[in-house]
Amino acid sequence: DAGVIQSPRHEVTEMGQEVTLRCKPISGHDYLFWYRQTMMRGLELLIYFNNNVPIDDSGMPEDRFSAKMPNASFSTLKIQPSEPRDSAVYFCASTPRHNEQFFGPGTRLTVL
Amino acid sequence: GQSLEQPSEVTAVEGAIVQINCTYQTSGFYGLSWYQQHDGGAPTFLSYNALDGLEETGRFSSFLSRSDSYGYLLLQELQMKDSASYFCAVRSQTGANNLFFGTGTRLTVIP
Repeated sequence: DAGVIQSPRHEVTEMGQEVTLRCKPISGHDYLFWYRQTMMRGLELLIYFNNNVPIDDSGMPEDRFSAKMPNASFSTLKIQPSEPRDSAVYFCASTPRHNEQFFGPGTRLTVL
Repeated sequence: GQSLEQPSEVTAVEGAIVQINCTYQTSGFYGLSWYQQHDGGAPTFLSYNALDGLEETGRFSSFLSRSDSYGYLLLQELQMKDSASYFCAVRSQTGANNLFFGTGTRLTVIP
């Protein structure tokens, strides 16, 4: 298996623009997680899905953030409009069980 | 609420043993995990403890004491490639798979 796939790997955009991050989990994994990592706040869980259904989105910082999982092999995290404080590395992770999460390579987002 | 405490930085000599501690406060507890992250890379899973005691995987071991709300990661025979950040993370809800991560310990291995 190729592991968790994320795209793009790097994104530079200007404040106010819409940003869409993409994730393909490992086949057969029922859980998908979106994290954000910054120096100041560490690794934060934004939202997670079980069988394509959002279970907990309490970590989503604002209404500007939204996430979808239309099928078992694809998820998106959208920021609209983006702001400089959204600059971070965004990770997607998946797991079939509770004791090990497999992380993707991350998307480094820079909002100017 | 939830909180995890781990040292921010640790330095150790190649070939030595190092222990990274983690204390936690959560409303519920179902397991403690450890992840390794190299600079510019993604977190990778190292170990998981749901019950008290020591789990060993090669040069790495992880320990949990539920009564003390405490765990540690033990790295033996340190190698330069072990220089990385190490995160403890708790699973605090039964039936749920979300993890709450600590702020990480940056380990530097010196020759």
